Amino acid sequence: EPEVTQTPSHQVTQMGQEVILRCVPISNHLYFYWYRQILGQKVEFLVSFYNNEISEKSEIFDDQFSVERPDGSNFTLKIRSTKLEDSAMYFCASSVQARHNSPLHFGNGTRLTVT
Amino acid sequence: DQQVKQNSPSLSVQEGRISILNCDYTNSMFDYFLWYKKYPAEGPTFLISISSIKDKNEDGRFTVFLNKSAKHLSLHIVPSQPGDSAVYFCAADNTGKLIFGQGTTLQVKP
Repeated sequence: EPEVTQTPSHQVTQMGQEVILRCVPISNHLYFYWYRQILGQKVEFLVSFYNNEISEKSEIFDDQFSVERPDGSNFTLKIRSTKLEDSAMYFCASSVQARHNSPLHFGNGTRLTVT
Repeated sequence: DQQVKQNSPSLSVQEGRISILNCDYTNSMFDYFLWYKKYPAEGPTFLISISSIKDKNEDGRFTVFLNKSAKHLSLHIVPSQPGDSAVYFCAADNTGKLIFGQGTTLQVKP
């Protein structure tokens, strides 16, 4: 069964550094998402992306965050200047349609540790 | 954000018995609900969904019930198997983004 793949599985970075988290969505999917889960908290929405532009973003997704689909397969999340509170599991997801009858398929996540 | 709540952090059941996981929501505009299962070191895996125009959806051992008047949904797993042991998240679709509950850890004992 096709799956969403994320790299790296674990990223350690120093505060203030830039990180790029990478995702390869399922090939025929058109909608892409980033979610994150801070340890002990809920999985929370960051951003959705369709047709090479952001569809919706949460309050968390401030100017430090950006997303890009640089080619036909990769979908990246960049954090420009990481903070301690950015430490979390970051999940990429994709779906065929935007809503209903098209559940999100998640990758296994990247654990980001900011020191 | 307390729009979706799973009030039981954990549940333990015997293999072969029924597992019932509960979820409450506050926003009556939600019209699509999903259940995800998550194993350690993996991402959430889609299990089953239900549209607000239905009150029940069944897929094999998994059945989701929706009570719109009570703003409550539940996931029934029967019979439960040890491999079902995982964290279960309910989620509501809010204009294309998912709002997740806190999760319930299910342990199925052999």
